[in-house]
Amino acid sequence: TQLLEQSPQFLSIQEGENLTVYCNSSSVFSSLQWYRQEPGEGPVLLVTVVTGGEVKKLKRLTFQFGDARKDSSLHITAAQPGDTGLYLCAGQPSRGNQFYFGTGTSLTVIP
Amino acid sequence: GAGVSQSPRYKVAKRGQDVALRCDPISGHVSLFWYQQALGQGPEFLTYFQNEAQLDKSGLPSDRFFAERPEGSVSTLKIQRTQQEDSAVYLCASSFVLDTEAFFGQGTRLTVV
Repeated sequence: TQLLEQSPQFLSIQEGENLTVYCNSSSVFSSLQWYRQEPGEGPVLLVTVVTGGEVKKLKRLTFQFGDARKDSSLHITAAQPGDTGLYLCAGQPSRGNQFYFGTGTSLTVIP
Repeated sequence: GAGVSQSPRYKVAKRGQDVALRCDPISGHVSLFWYQQALGQGPEFLTYFQNEAQLDKSGLPSDRFFAERPEGSVSTLKIQRTQQEDSAVYLCASSFVLDTEAFFGQGTRLTVV
């Protein structure tokens, strides 16, 4: 059972389009992470957010942590084929606990 | 080592066979995690070690699954009497301490036939 639901599950867009991936839960998290995973590889950490309402930017990627620390979003501007991959959110219920992953969003950016 | 290393990368087992999956964490990392990942899904937590102590094994799906880290470094995940539903990628991750960045290995893809 996974605590975090991601939407959409699959997303296929054209190069240059914008997109948003959502990560939702009924539970409160002390921190939340976003990962990207390519086929045959392990997930790689993109960002960690810890404060409700926090917004972090990483080049064309914008991450937001909900005010109540129950949800998060990832927005990608002007998507590129290199952005293709499985995007995963992971929440830490409290400090000292392990992270629990969301259901994943598979993104394909078509050249 | 430079990164988390898992072996074997691929394992095909006949139903009922026992398997052992190995994880070499980054040297000096205290925390070690095992996850199970179905195709296209997010990893599901299995178990967590701090040094040699297994602090949480709540995610292990049955008593056929067993993990150990006897010297606080290399870890082994053992699955006894494998079933088809055990087919998945098994990921290992390590971090310096619990609340720091975790680094993942490439995983072991287990196929039970």
